[in-house]
Amino acid sequence: GAGVSQSPSNKVTEKGKDVELRCDPISGHTALYWYRQSLGQGLEFLIYFQGNSAPDKSGLPSDRFSAERTGGSVSTLTIQRTQQEDSAVYLCASSFRQGFSYEQYFGPGTRLTVT
Amino acid sequence: ILNVEQSPQSLHVQEGDSTNFTCSFPSSNFYALHWYRWETAKSPEALFVMTLNGDEKKKGRISATLNTKEGYSYLYIKGSQPEDSATYLCASFNTNAGKSTFGDGTTLTVKP
Repeated sequence: GAGVSQSPSNKVTEKGKDVELRCDPISGHTALYWYRQSLGQGLEFLIYFQGNSAPDKSGLPSDRFSAERTGGSVSTLTIQRTQQEDSAVYLCASSFRQGFSYEQYFGPGTRLTVT
Repeated sequence: ILNVEQSPQSLHVQEGDSTNFTCSFPSSNFYALHWYRWETAKSPEALFVMTLNGDEKKKGRISATLNTKEGYSYLYIKGSQPEDSATYLCASFNTNAGKSTFGDGTTLTVKP
C-alpha cells in the first residue's frame, strides 16, 4: 500500500514568510510524528499526535511553529515568519497504533530552505 | 547518561566483515528503543522496536540486543555487504508522553 507522503518535497522561501508543510500518513495509522534534521544535526523530535488526543507540543522550537491534524489523518506543520535557522529537512512518520512500542514509518521529507 | 549517544560515529569495513555499534540511553523511565536504517536520499526505515530488558531481535544478518538496566543496546551486522552502507540511528523513548531522543547515528560504509 501507499506509504507516508509529504509535500512539497522542496520549499525555498524568503525570511519572514509563512510556510505550510503537509503530511499524509499511512491509512489506518493512528499516531503521527513530526521531526526535523538541521544541517549537521541529528533528528529532532517536534510534535506527536496520538489519536484524537491533544498533541504534545513541548518539542516545538518556538511559538512560530504550530501543527494540526484534521480528522485524525492529514497533518500540517506551519512555520510563521520563517528564519534562516528553520532551514532543515522536515520528516513526518506514522505508526499503526499509539505508543512507542510500534515502529514508525517515515515519509520522504520536505527540504525547507529559508533565504 | 542524559542523552542518547551512539558509537562509533562512523565505521568503514570490508565486505564480509562483521561489525557492531553501540547506543547508550538514559535508563531511568525507559519505555522503548528503536533502531532505524537511513540510506542517503531515502527515508529512515525501522529495523527493530525493543521494549524489554534482555530483548534480542534479528532480521536477516542484522540483530540487536537491549539492556535497559544499564542503558545500552548493541546492533550487530554479520557478513556486511555494500548494500548495508547507511546511517544507523537509535531513538530512546523514556515515557509514553510523546518525546523521543535520537542519537546522531553511526555511518557504516562497506567496501566491496
